[in-house]
Amino acid sequence: NAGVTQTPKFRVLKTGQSMTLLCAQDMNHEYMYWYRQDPGMGLRLIHYSVGEGTTAKGEVPDGYNVSRLKKQNFLLGLESAAPSQTSVYFCASSPLRLAGLGDQETQYFGPGTRLLVL
Amino acid sequence: AQSVTQLDSQVPVFEEAPVELRCNYSSSVSVYLFWYVQYPNQGLQLLLKYLSGSTLVKGINGFEAEFNKSQTSFHLRKPSVHISDTAEYFCAVRHASGGSYIPTFGRGTSLIVHP
Repeated sequence: NAGVTQTPKFRVLKTGQSMTLLCAQDMNHEYMYWYRQDPGMGLRLIHYSVGEGTTAKGEVPDGYNVSRLKKQNFLLGLESAAPSQTSVYFCASSPLRLAGLGDQETQYFGPGTRLLVL
Repeated sequence: AQSVTQLDSQVPVFEEAPVELRCNYSSSVSVYLFWYVQYPNQGLQLLLKYLSGSTLVKGINGFEAEFNKSQTSFHLRKPSVHISDTAEYFCAVRHASGGSYIPTFGRGTSLIVHP
């Protein structure tokens, strides 16, 4: 049981290049999330998904796109990278929210992807 | 809308001393509250959570937190810290029912334990 994995771990891009970050989870979770972490800003939600084939915008969606074609995978795309997108990106997943089942409320995080855009 | 304020961006403390990391939240409905820990170069992992019941919640690694509804606080405490507790700590809140089920995170508190 690998939990949540992220690919790649590190990446350096030039301004204007594109790339896709892959998140995979083997816990059969319904919900998946993409966050970015910047110094002094904490975690900010980029996009999230409540199930296969569905996605929604979070707090800072501009410049990013996502897809959830399979339940276990959540892809984050940068179509034209900018220096402002230099950050550490975290993927997370959580089970379907059901009232009265406390463990359903926990998010499980991947190890992160460090992205530098020059 | 819900929000979380972590009042200290950095908390330095000596090994074996007690520590309190402060978290206040704002919400118009009942909430679930969480503390996550992030060790250097790692992802976040759950430390403890309050969903209902006893307002004193015990978590992993000797940490505990107390939910205070009147003061809208969920402060994290440990009676004696270790060097290995050096990490970033995040408080998070989400609606318990209705509203958004997406948690909101605070900006984090960096706990630095000195020998």
